[in-house]
Amino acid sequence: QQQVKQSPQSLIVQKGGISIINCAYENTAFDYFPWYQQFPGKGPALLIAIRPDVSEKKEGRFTISFNKSAKQFSLHIMDSQPGDSATYFCAASSGNQFYFGTGTSLTVIP
Amino acid sequence: NAGVTQTPKFQVLKTGQSMTLQCAQDMNHNSMYWYRQDPGMGLRLIYYSASEGTTDKGEVPNGYNVSRLNKREFSLRLESAAPSQTSVYFCASSAVGQRTEAFFGQGTRLTVV
Repeated sequence: QQQVKQSPQSLIVQKGGISIINCAYENTAFDYFPWYQQFPGKGPALLIAIRPDVSEKKEGRFTISFNKSAKQFSLHIMDSQPGDSATYFCAASSGNQFYFGTGTSLTVIP
Repeated sequence: NAGVTQTPKFQVLKTGQSMTLQCAQDMNHNSMYWYRQDPGMGLRLIYYSASEGTTDKGEVPNGYNVSRLNKREFSLRLESAAPSQTSVYFCASSAVGQRTEAFFGQGTRLTVV
């Protein structure tokens, strides 16, 4: 059973556009929601993370929106650039347990 | 500071062969993990070790064994490789406590023929 559901599986966006990736979870014990970015041939690396007591977190062009009541969170990439082309994973953790979504392959077209 | 180092980076095995994937971290982390990544499946936890001397099964442990050799090293063993174990394997580590980041290695691409 997938603990974290992620959509879409793939996304194509024009340069300068907004990329939006959505995730949902069921387990209310999760207390940390990180997003990881993975380039081909590399391991995932932390991009941005949010705690459930915060509704939004912004770091540069990357923003996490968090809806605790709906048990949903999303990643927004503003002014998307070709260098943002990668696979993005949402995750949820409780203690030292991490559960990952199935990933979104983002392609930003110049 | 190397972070999490995995060896080998690539491996081809014949069905039934055995091998051990090695992982070492130099961040003094207590927790270590092994994941497999398959298209459309995301990252699935095989085994994890919350601290030195302890190991626990994750979502997909069948066909694998692990050893937490010391605080730095966590190995994954395939006793009798099967084509279904063709995947990219990632080792990760994290510090103790809540809301900590998992650091990943570069991955091992394993093909079982």
